[in-house]
Amino acid sequence: AQTVTQSQPEMSVQEAETVTLSCTYDTSESDYYLFWYKQPPSRQMILVIRQEAYKQQNATENRFSVNFQKAAKSFSLKISDSQLGDAAMYFCAYRSPYNNNDMRFGAGTRLTVKP
Amino acid sequence: DGGITQSPKYLFRKEGQNVTLSCEQNLNHDAMYWYRQDPGQGLRLIYYSQIVNDFQKGDIAEGYSVSREKKESFPLTVTSAQKNPTAFYLCASSPPAGGRAVKYFGPGTRLTVL
Repeated sequence: AQTVTQSQPEMSVQEAETVTLSCTYDTSESDYYLFWYKQPPSRQMILVIRQEAYKQQNATENRFSVNFQKAAKSFSLKISDSQLGDAAMYFCAYRSPYNNNDMRFGAGTRLTVKP
Repeated sequence: DGGITQSPKYLFRKEGQNVTLSCEQNLNHDAMYWYRQDPGQGLRLIYYSQIVNDFQKGDIAEGYSVSREKKESFPLTVTSAQKNPTAFYLCASSPPAGGRAVKYFGPGTRLTVL
């Protein structure tokens, strides 16, 4: 079974600075999907960004971008110009195209943004 | 507005009681899911349903039961057989777009056993 590892339980960043959250995964599949979800204090899970493994170009969404290294099985999230509203738990997730119902989540990284 | 609603937001259960968590979606999604979230752990899949009147066990289905009588609704019952039910429960749904489909989550229910 695929596993997702987030090695940083907590991270902090100064407002307006840049922070990178790490995620690695283990899989034998060549095609798959990767996601970053944000869970603010409200506990509502919100999709931040999505990457398809067959695409070489790294996904970007405004201030959020990923560094997808397929060979290294690494999928880090970069948040630029950090804002106070970015403070949340961030979860990395893996989804197989062969099993639509199975999404594997990492344990999460708690991000604190300092004013 | 389309979305997923879960109720109640907070739920307290006494030992030996069954409780049911509600999940409703108006996104017209076929697939619905229940996840459990514990501190320091990622989300774990309890049950999922791809279609009305059909559902499958996830990784931690023991002590839980579900039903899918309507496309919009996927209630989860936490039975007395679940030995450690205190957790945060998230319901999700997704459209039929394969693995690339995004899962949309509800706001969650916090269950506490007294």
